[in-house]
Amino acid sequence: DAGITQSPRHKVTETGTPVTLRCHQTENHRYMYWYRQDPGHGLRLIHYSYGVKDTDKGEVSDGYSVSRSKTEDFLLTLESATSSQTSVYFCAISVGQTYGYTFGSGTRLTVV
Amino acid sequence: DQQVKQNSPSLSVQEGRISILNCDYTNSMFDYFLWYKKYPAEGPTFLISISSIKDKNEDGRFTVFLNKSAKHLSLHIVPSQPGDSAVYFCAASRPNNNDMRFGAGTRLTVKP
Repeated sequence: DAGITQSPRHKVTETGTPVTLRCHQTENHRYMYWYRQDPGHGLRLIHYSYGVKDTDKGEVSDGYSVSRSKTEDFLLTLESATSSQTSVYFCAISVGQTYGYTFGSGTRLTVV
Repeated sequence: DQQVKQNSPSLSVQEGRISILNCDYTNSMFDYFLWYKKYPAEGPTFLISISSIKDKNEDGRFTVFLNKSAKHLSLHIVPSQPGDSAVYFCAASRPNNNDMRFGAGTRLTVKP
């Protein structure tokens, strides 16, 4: 197992509140990713990081920000949560082209 | 824009028979294709991959076929087992690019 953990596993929050999801890896991988999974859309990339303090936007980055102050931690922040951000969020690390990504177990976020 | 498409949301097969999951893509720049398997409440896990220079890759009961001219790939599972029941995601990546694209997923049910 690649040693990638996400916290929290579940969260219910109110519209307009800030929310931060955490991804932690233990294997010093350079590339880390945040995806969201929604029915009918599969997995869509929100943001990714290619090193400490190096991040870039993905396909669905509006309303999200990220930070990576240490190699092992990649944080996803919803500055002001909306109901459209209700989703399951997955963090991933890149383990090479042949094997693609290793994913965390996900965070189920509900915005009410 | 959905560059990777899985047009069958669900598939049901009998134990012991073949399962065929299909995936189409639109971007001819994709050079690596992967299949992931996902159980409920878990993150996707890597299953099998194929480079665009090949047309077939086999790993035990799992075989992936790639038809570049048709921009189509398929995953064959033979024989299917009840433990194969899961959601299967097709994914594709471009050279030196960090935006792996995923299909919407196909839920496979293998009946005993």
